[in-house]
Amino acid sequence: RKEVEQDPGPFNVPEGATVAFNCTYSNSASQSFFWYRQDCRKEPKLLMSVYSSGNEDGRFTAQLNRASQYISLLIRDSKLSDSATYLCVVNIRGDSNYQLIWGAGTKLIIKP
Amino acid sequence: GAGVSQTPSNKVTEKGKYVELRCDPISGHTALYWYRQSLGQGPEFLIYFQGTGAADDSGLPNDRFFAVRPEGSVSTLKIQRTERGDSAVYLCASSLGPPAYNEQFFGPGTRLTVL
Repeated sequence: RKEVEQDPGPFNVPEGATVAFNCTYSNSASQSFFWYRQDCRKEPKLLMSVYSSGNEDGRFTAQLNRASQYISLLIRDSKLSDSATYLCVVNIRGDSNYQLIWGAGTKLIIKP
Repeated sequence: GAGVSQTPSNKVTEKGKYVELRCDPISGHTALYWYRQSLGQGPEFLIYFQGTGAADDSGLPNDRFFAVRPEGSVSTLKIQRTERGDSAVYLCASSLGPPAYNEQFFGPGTRLTVL
């Protein structure tokens, strides 16, 4: 089993709809979590950080389920500009070593 | 303010040649990271610097890869005896502090093609 797993998609979603996708992780000691967004042929950019049960920022909500070891990303009222690949990042421990595991990403396509 | 910059943006080289990729992080960011990314994959961690020293180089695939950050700012990733499998986009990122709780800011990447 991979340390961080994401459904690669693509998720094809009509504009205005709500979409959610999950990221599962294998290490129960994981402490912090991130969602990055990456547009085609561009660099990743931070979307949200998750340190406790979840985080909300406008149309975006991230939820952490420690018991089942996954984090989810919910996008409400989706826009065409939300089309991108969403990368899940899991930190195993918070010491000086790197210990971030990146998922392969979930591709989201918002259709008009 | 200026973001992370990387040069060159594209590099085409022949198998067996030596290449250097440069990263200029955001001013004041003590942490710097190198990744490589292949199509359809997430970034693959290579090395993490805290200041001038490599805090974690466990991602370097073999001894052909080496990176330096002599003054705690600009970093250079060096690849000796390049192989076709080294072709990828090499991303550099920087952050204010350690990676566990700090946002990473990425540069636009260097697309390396080994013929």
